[in-house]
Parts: sequence; structure tokens; C-alpha cells
Amino acid sequence: DADVTQTPRNRITKTGKRIMLECSQTKGHDRMYWYRQDPGLGLRLIYYSFDVKDINKGEISDGYSVSRQAQAKFSLSLESAIPNQTALYFCATSDGQGPPYNEQFFGPGTRLTVL
Amino acid sequence: KNQVEQSPQSLIILEGKNCTLQCNYTVSPFSNLRWYKQDTGRGPVSLTIMTFSENTKSNGRYTATLDADTKQSSLHITASQLSDSASYICVVIDRGSTLGRLYFGRGTQLTVWP
Repeated sequence: DADVTQTPRNRITKTGKRIMLECSQTKGHDRMYWYRQDPGLGLRLIYYSFDVKDINKGEISDGYSVSRQAQAKFSLSLESAIPNQTALYFCATSDGQGPPYNEQFFGPGTRLTVL
Repeated sequence: KNQVEQSPQSLIILEGKNCTLQCNYTVSPFSNLRWYKQDTGRGPVSLTIMTFSENTKSNGRYTATLDADTKQSSLHITASQLSDSASYICVVIDRGSTLGRLYFGRGTQLTVWP
């Protein structure tokens, strides 16, 4: 079984709708992250959480919110989706042991299309 | 401004041939550099991790080099296989924050033809 899972894997929605993307991990890591990837661009950090009570904004948090329901679960919400939020979204985890070996492990991604 | 630049943007090679991908960075202070492989529709998977004091690291047919003085890294793929077709992403981590901020390059899209 995959260590980091994301649901749904694909989602098509309309402008203005509320969308939630979910991430679960079985690696036992404390740190979890949400990134988005756009064609031709590098991954960009949306939000990150170092533990259940810790939530921090990344470089592109506007229009997004998150919830850390448990150590293993980290959800990303788009309160009112807009077309320029169409992208590939990745969840990642790390154990926080570092630097230098604070490696992040990525989920399979969710492809979101906002019409 | 902390940046990671990769070249070439895309590359096509024949199966069995070797290739080298380049990464230049301006991230400071430097902690470590990683190469990730991202298959189409999948999440990135780590290939190698190198700290400041390491100048080469191998993982099977993948060999990464690091020159921390010139802030350059390369990923050499030997005897390419069709399964090497993927995007290869250079990621540089700074040590200036508790986050260990990751800076991602845009990737090199490698296509291996039979």
C-alpha cells in the first residue's frame, strides 16, 4: 500500500464551488505539506503543518485553507474555486529529522480542473 | 533571490545512450541538494541527496555531482532505459529557517526513444 495517499485523484468542478482534497499517510511523519504544480513551473508550497496544532502559510496560500485532523491526515480546501486554481496538487510528508536529510515523500497527486 | 535553474528544458535520447542534466542555483545559505524523478501523473520520488561536503552520489545508473563553490549540480544517467522517460527535478534546501525551505527547479523532461 502507498505510504502517502490522496483523494480524489482527479476532480472537475465549476467556478465558485467548494472543494476539499484529502491526504493520508502511514509513514508516521509529523510534518505534512501541500504543493501545487503548474505546467512548466516548479512546485510551489501552499501550506505546511509540523504537527496537529501547527498550521503555516506557504508562498501561495491565498484562496486556500487547510485542516490537520490528525497526525496522519491533512486536508486542503478551496472555499470558492476559480479557473486559475486548475493545477496538479501534491501532498508530501517528512519526519522533520534534519536538515540535512529532511526528505519529503510525495503522494500521487490530485489533478483539479476548475471550469 | 533564491532560484533554481535547470537545463535543458527537454531532452530526447535513444535507449542505451547516456545523458547529463544541469542545475544551477543561487539558494543561500545552502543545506542540501536533491534530484527527484517524476513520472507522468505521479508524485516526485527522490533519487539522490547531497550535502555541502559531498560532491558525488550514485544511485544505480544515476550519478549526481555537486560543486558548492560554483553552485552547480548535474545528474548523469548511464545506459538509458525507456523507463527513464520522466521529468527530473532539482531541489535545493536552505538552512536558514526551521522549515528547511525547498526551492524547486522547473524540471528537465527526458524522453527515451527505442
